[in-house]
Amino acid sequence: AQSVTQLGSHVSVSEGALVLLRCNYSSSVPPYLFWYVQYPNQGLQLLLKYTSAATLVKGINGFEAEFKKSETSFHLTKPSAHMSDAAEYFCAVSESGNEKLTFGTGTRLTIIP
Amino acid sequence: KAGVTQTPRYLIKTRGQQVTLSCSPISGHRSVSWYQQTPGQGLQFLFEYFSETQRNKGNFPGRFSGRQFSNSRSEMNVSTLELGDSALYLCASSPRGRNTGELFFGEGSRLTVL
Repeated sequence: AQSVTQLGSHVSVSEGALVLLRCNYSSSVPPYLFWYVQYPNQGLQLLLKYTSAATLVKGINGFEAEFKKSETSFHLTKPSAHMSDAAEYFCAVSESGNEKLTFGTGTRLTIIP
Repeated sequence: KAGVTQTPRYLIKTRGQQVTLSCSPISGHRSVSWYQQTPGQGLQFLFEYFSETQRNKGNFPGRFSGRQFSNSRSEMNVSTLELGDSALYLCASSPRGRNTGELFFGEGSRLTVL
């Protein structure tokens, strides 16, 4: 069965500092990997996805993630945090061909002014 | 282009009652998925409908059911409500096909069971 593990349920960074949110996956088949963001009282929004075309994936709002098969990781980064980045971030995995996503437990990102 | 619309946004029910939640997908999207979000269990997949057929189902009891209409709108129903059913129920639509996993979520229906 496929799964994702997000290390750190809460992460705090200073405004302008590097954001690093960790995600490790487990899948018996080449995975589709995603990062979604959820702002308070809203649904989820897709930040970026990996579908084997390129290992470094760029998403919206300056975020990017690198797929590392040897480490089974798909960590999310942003060079410089902004106050508007405060939200909860979810890593997710999907088997090819269906819309059933398995989500991680989420990481709440707090930005310190 | 209008987003995914879920109604109602908030509702309160008592144990034993049943509830129906509605979801209107983005125009042109034929796949609708439902997820339950709770603080304890996180985001869990309920089911997915595509062209009025259930394509995938999560590990939820039979009290949870859904359907999709010919216009792609979807409803989910929970019967004999339990306290543990209190959650944010999220609907997501997608065009499916090569965009697997790219889900567009609504703002959710927050159900409180007393």
